[in-house]
Amino acid sequence: KNQVEQSPQSLIILEGKNCTLQCNYTVSPFSNLRWYKQDTGRGPVSLTIMTFSENTKSNGRYTATLDADTKQSSLHITASQLSDSASYICVVYAGNNRKLIWGLGTSLAVNP
Amino acid sequence: GAVVSQHPSWVICKSGTSVKIECRSLDFQATTMFWYRQFPKQSLMLMATSNEGSKATYEQGVEKDKFLINHASLTLSTLTVTSAHPEDSSFYICSALPATGDNSPLHFGNGTRLTVT
Repeated sequence: KNQVEQSPQSLIILEGKNCTLQCNYTVSPFSNLRWYKQDTGRGPVSLTIMTFSENTKSNGRYTATLDADTKQSSLHITASQLSDSASYICVVYAGNNRKLIWGLGTSLAVNP
Repeated sequence: GAVVSQHPSWVICKSGTSVKIECRSLDFQATTMFWYRQFPKQSLMLMATSNEGSKATYEQGVEKDKFLINHASLTLSTLTVTSAHPEDSSFYICSALPATGDNSPLHFGNGTRLTVT
């Protein structure tokens, strides 16, 4: 069964600190893995997209990693800001039927 | 960057009425658009996949006669919630996939908050 699991479910950190969010997946065949940021009441915004051959990709203070062998990905946020408070969702694209398999997200709160 | 416009951003309607939500890709062509609903503190749930010029593909458990989807052009898809009931109250979000391949970013609208009274 295609699944995407994220941890932790929620996280609270202080402004300026770093954090790492985890994503494990069992999706086949794998096409790509995406990280999205969703602010409350808004649509998700794409942070990174990684294909099978990519191990790491950065977008500003966001760095995603992918280990296709262990089927794990992480999203590292550096020097967090209050505006980073949001839900971060890991999504895996199954290429055969063009399905996006969504994780439940990690809710991040950055406190001053 | 690519923009998807979703309208209206919020709507309140009476039980039994129908509501239409529009999703437009403003600066790119989208052969495929997706419609999601999201309940509080939950992830997006795919309702249907809409391909331009053909019938939408609905996910299991989604009533096609209740949630009518029309993808009339490469830049516009509409979702009509027919005979809405309070349990249809939710956050509906559309997304559009550019016609540039499976590794293209998926662009989302900002959602429509539907409240049925």
